[in-house]
Order: sequence, then structure tokens, then C-alpha cells
Amino acid sequence: EADIYQTPRYLVIGTGKKITLECSQTMGHDKMYWYQQDPGMELHLIHYSYGVNSTEKGDLSSESTVSRIRTEHFPLTLESARPSHTSQYLCASSELDVDGSYEQYFGPGTRLTVT
Amino acid sequence: KNQVEQSPQSLIILEGKNCTLQCNYTVSPFSNLRWYKQDTGRGPVSLTIMTFSENTKSNGRYTATLDADTKQSSLHITASQLSDSASYICVVSYGNNRLAFGKGNQVVVIP
Repeated sequence: EADIYQTPRYLVIGTGKKITLECSQTMGHDKMYWYQQDPGMELHLIHYSYGVNSTEKGDLSSESTVSRIRTEHFPLTLESARPSHTSQYLCASSELDVDGSYEQYFGPGTRLTVT
Repeated sequence: KNQVEQSPQSLIILEGKNCTLQCNYTVSPFSNLRWYKQDTGRGPVSLTIMTFSENTKSNGRYTATLDADTKQSSLHITASQLSDSASYICVVSYGNNRLAFGKGNQVVVIP
């Protein structure tokens, strides 16, 4: 079991609310990621970070923002939630493996429903 | 068109039977290919990684193959168990540490 945690696991919230999805890891990984996953669909990278004070947008455009003030913490914020934001959000971190590849360790995910 | 195509999309098998999942990809230059298992309501967990020079690798009852020439990989599950019910995701690493994800093979094992 990877030491990467996400809270809340489930969130139902009304349109227009501000929300923050928490992600933390205790493995000391520099690289962290946020993915969005809809049922039956592939994971889409929305944000990533290579270390403290480093954040980049991923392949899928997202209205969310992220911050990386501490190595272990990578929260995602939506200033004004909309029904189109309803999805599963997965956080991951990675380290350089012995064979030169990066294995990603995923959190359990946050299932967000915006009504 | 997705850069990583997996088939079948879903599969129902009897407990104890074997099954094979397919992954075809188009991305390049290829670095490595991982198979992940994602249980319902959980994050994906890595099962195995295949590099360019590897043709087959086993992890318990899971055996992955790779043909880098035809850009195809398979994941074979032997003697399936109920706990094998999950989505199996093929992830290809290419270029400068870029990742391409498949949609997953949804496997349901029934008693």
C-alpha cells in the first residue's frame, strides 16, 4: 500500500462553491501529479509538479489550480465548482526506479459530484 | 484516436479460468510500458513494467509480454481469482517522460 493519501474520498457540493482536494505523501517524492478520470475513460493529466514551488498544467485543460509549498503536500483547488467538474480526481507521486523509469504511486482518489 | 488502445473493453470470466488482455500503442519514442491494476474506488497499482529489451515478465499469476516492433503488449492472468476483478490499465512512457494511458480492460471474475 502506497503512502499517499487523499481527502475527502467523496464530496457532493453545490454549484459555485470553492473546494480544495487534499493530497499528501510521506515517501519524500519530488514529483506529484493530479489526474482526472471519468468512468470507463482513461486518466487525463491536469497538473504536475517536479518539486516545491514548481507547478505545471497537464495535457487536459482544467479550471482548477494547484500549489506545492511543501514536498509532501499537493492540494488542488476549484474556485467555483460547476457540474462539468463532476469526476474522479486521482493524485499520484513518483520516484526514479532502479531501471531508470518512474513508477507512479496513486492515492485512492476523490470522487467529486457538483449538483 | 487514443494513442493507447486496449481490448477487450470488458470481460467476464469464470473463477479459475485464464484470460489475456491486449494493449496496442502508437506513441514514440518508446521508453517503457506498465500495466496497472485499479480496484473499484481505489487508485491504480503497478503490476509490471516492460522495457524495450524485455519480451515477457511475470508477477505471480500475471504475465506481461511486449513486442516493441509491432507496438503490442498483453497481460495474461492465470487461474483467475475473484480478487482479480478490476480495471487493468496499460500506460506507455515515451519521449521526455510523457505518459499515455489506455482506457483500461474491465475484468469481472464470477464464481
